[in-house]
Amino acid sequence: DAKTTQPNSMESNEEEPVHLPCNHSTISGTDYIHWYRQLPSQGPEYVIHGLTSNVNNRMASLAIAEDRKSSTLILHRATLRDAAVYYCILNRDDKIIFGKGTRLHILP
Amino acid sequence: DVKVTQSSRYLVKRTGEKVFLECVQDMDHENMFWYRQDPGLGLRLIYFSYDVKMKEKGDIPEGYSVSREKKERFSLILESASTNQTSMYLCASSLSWGQGFPLNEKLFFGSGTQLSVL
Repeated sequence: DAKTTQPNSMESNEEEPVHLPCNHSTISGTDYIHWYRQLPSQGPEYVIHGLTSNVNNRMASLAIAEDRKSSTLILHRATLRDAAVYYCILNRDDKIIFGKGTRLHILP
Repeated sequence: DVKVTQSSRYLVKRTGEKVFLECVQDMDHENMFWYRQDPGLGLRLIYFSYDVKMKEKGDIPEGYSVSREKKERFSLILESASTNQTSMYLCASSLSWGQGFPLNEKLFFGSGTQLSVL
């Protein structure tokens, strides 16, 4: 299975940018990199995904390393509502495997 | 927006009972998934289905079965519930999937069913 490695937890101050890293050294050429987040007492929700180029949407930006072995989810201005578990995932063999994610704490 | 609805938010069952967890999506998605989520273990894939009457095992299928008789509905079945199946169960769906092709579709999740087996 395609594996990703993320820090267990991170902290950030409110209204500051947050960079959430993810390592995926065994990524194959056709794997998309997806990010989801899970707010308390809810199911995960889609944040962003990409293949090779950096991606931006209204929620976040995704920066993908040139060798694709790592990526970074960027929240440009964190709010208290961004406190969640963030999952970086790859697809492989028709399965969508979630790791343990990074628990992001936002400090007011 | 896509809506994925799980029939119960909380469920309490006794050991040995047969348990049905129901999931319905309203956007004609082909693919549906069942995960369980446990503290410290993250989300683990139990089963998934990419078409009516089709099913594939995920990483932890033991003790579970699934049914997909209609495109919009994907049921998870615990034939004989055990205490180690106490967990949060999450259903998800996505639009389309070519088997063997990379995923370029979003997953939409339900709110989850917290199952307690006593």
